Amino acid sequence: QVQLVQSGAELKMPGASVKVSCKASGYSFHNYGISWVRQAPGQGLEWLGWISAYNGHRNYAQKIQDRVTITTDRSTSTAYMEMRSLTSSDTAVYYCGRVVEIPGTLGWPGRLDPWGQGTLVTVSS
Amino acid sequence: QPVLTQPPSSSASPGESARLTCTLPSDINVGSSNIYWYQQKPGSPPKYLLYYYSDSDQGQGSGVPSRFSGSKDASANTGILLISGLQSEDEADYFCMIWPSNALGVFGGGTKLTVL
Repeated sequence: QVQLVQSGAELKMPGASVKVSCKASGYSFHNYGISWVRQAPGQGLEWLGWISAYNGHRNYAQKIQDRVTITTDRSTSTAYMEMRSLTSSDTAVYYCGRVVEIPGTLGWPGRLDPWGQGTLVTVSS
Repeated sequence: QPVLTQPPSSSASPGESARLTCTLPSDINVGSSNIYWYQQKPGSPPKYLLYYYSDSDQGQGSGVPSRFSGSKDASANTGILLISGLQSEDEADYFCMIWPSNALGVFGGGTKLTVL
């Protein structure tokens, strides 16, 4: 079945970087985009960015665009999200989601389905 | 601060209907937007429920009961998730999402639905 499996929990010091992986299975990885979303404790969902399967273009949320990079490795069907210069406000569960691009729209993003199980990133000294 | 406005909480009794709203900012026309709805239960990732653009352009997630449906109120620039025949298992957080013209995704703040 279609599945996204993320890497394990991370504990990072302030100022460090973290790289979370998201391994896809059960579908053709290169035909779908990947988006990253985070959820701080007790809070809602915050969209971070996505990479298009159609043209490889990446879009990032303005709030974190200078600190985050999304990449993919087609040889292993794995997507990555790297965030730099971490602070305590980056403590959250990070999710990847498969982006189903809308047919006939030259890669316009649609639903996120399915989602990975989430990766807890804790930033603390 | 979420760009999409959702009431923080809502409640209804089993068997009743719940109407969850998602109001878009004035500079984004709900009539031109696909509204995506996600359900999240404690300790689990979000689950895709459905999208709604119009009555002729909508889609249900795999395995999502037909009790879940979408609509829009153009006069209020609002997307709506309607859950009919509420069941205890519907108790969850519900998030709306859109992809504005800049292709930067945005979520609503979420509504916690309590089934009384």
